[in-house]
Amino acid sequence: QQKVQQSPESLIVPEGGMASLNCTSSDRNVDYFWWYRQHSGKSPKMLMSIFSNGEKEEGRFTVHLNKASLHTSLHIRDSQPSDSALYLCAARRNSNNRIFFGDGTQLVVKP
Amino acid sequence: EAAVTQSPRNKVTVTGGNVTLSCRQTNSHNYMYWYRQDTGHGLRLIHYSYGAGNLQIGDVPDGYKATRTTQEDFFLLLELASPSQTSLYFCASSDVGSDYTFGSGTRLLVI
Repeated sequence: QQKVQQSPESLIVPEGGMASLNCTSSDRNVDYFWWYRQHSGKSPKMLMSIFSNGEKEEGRFTVHLNKASLHTSLHIRDSQPSDSALYLCAARRNSNNRIFFGDGTQLVVKP
Repeated sequence: EAAVTQSPRNKVTVTGGNVTLSCRQTNSHNYMYWYRQDTGHGLRLIHYSYGAGNLQIGDVPDGYKATRTTQEDFFLLLELASPSQTSLYFCASSDVGSDYTFGSGTRLLVI
């Protein structure tokens, strides 16, 4: 069964707007989350990672993590057309080095 | 610069054909992975390895073999290719606790 659930499947935001993406793990043995970004025709690139409760900000990108609910979210403020991509959430099982990917959120930023 | 290099970039084969996908990493990582990516399914793990000579089964292993000949080299083998194996294949490497570095991908078409 799918261990990492992402929502929404797709998202359209206007240029300059805020994009909010969600991710939840159904596996209680995960201890680390990543967000990867994959532009069309390219390989996934790590965007941000988080393992502590709370918030982490890097430029226009903010990640939140609630370890009790195993829920993480990615927020992109002042979205740009270049942010249009597939965003993949990944969670690591703390018993080995396996990480599980969600199916992704397809973000489109319209000029 | 540390990298993951996949070859070939594109491959066309006939049903029942024999295909080998190659991956080399210069990151000195212990872990290497083979994923396939299909629309609507995100990244699905086929096989992975934590060192030369080691092989672990992933989530979608049927129809695939893999071999890790050295720390740097990881191969994916399709001995009787089927159209259902038409996909985009990614190799990745990592170490414990580190994020994944992906190769550029191999597009495989089985006709």
